[in-house]
Amino acid sequence: NAGVTQTPKFRILKIGQSMTLQCTQDMNHNYMYWYRQDPGMGLKLIYYSVGAGITDKGEVPNGYNVSRSTTEDFPLRLELAAPSQTSVYFCAVRTQETQYFGPGTRLLVL
Amino acid sequence: GDSVTQMEGPVTLSEEAFLTINCTYTATGYPSLFWYVQYPGEGLQLLLKATKADDKGSNKGFEATYRKETTSFHLEKGSVQVSDSAVYFCALHGSSNTGKLIFGQGTTLQVKP
Repeated sequence: NAGVTQTPKFRILKIGQSMTLQCTQDMNHNYMYWYRQDPGMGLKLIYYSVGAGITDKGEVPNGYNVSRSTTEDFPLRLELAAPSQTSVYFCAVRTQETQYFGPGTRLLVL
Repeated sequence: GDSVTQMEGPVTLSEEAFLTINCTYTATGYPSLFWYVQYPGEGLQLLLKATKADDKGSNKGFEATYRKETTSFHLEKGSVQVSDSAVYFCALHGSSNTGKLIFGQGTTLQVKP
């Protein structure tokens, strides 16, 4: 039982490149979230999904896109990477008790 | 809107010292309150929670009491260990049914032997 897995663990992108951060859960929960964590800033919500086919914007959605075709997967897409998107990205799943976080993806945009 | 404010870090303590990390919140209604811990290179883990006023959450020697009159949820531990060195986040879940969490900025704790 892996819980929430995220790939890749670390990536370096050049400005203007695109990439997809993968998030997969085996907990069979409907609610999923993407956060970014910047030093000294806590976590900010980028997008969330309340179930397959349903997504909505969080606090900082600009520059990102998401899709949710299955319960298990919630990928985050960066179309034109910018230095401001250098951050650590966390995917989370809402459980009965609270949110369960994946291990994170560290992204560096140069 | 809802918000969470934590004391600024870093907090540096000697082993076996008493720990307090302050957390205050602003929210409408009766939010649920959480403390998460993030060890170096890892994701966030739930440390403890409280869902209503005067509830006390506890885990691994850490405690926090939901104080509605002071809108606070301060984290305490009587005797810290080197292994407690981490970043601690206070968070709330408000009245929204989307399950969204609002986080404080995090407080880094460093415990020296």
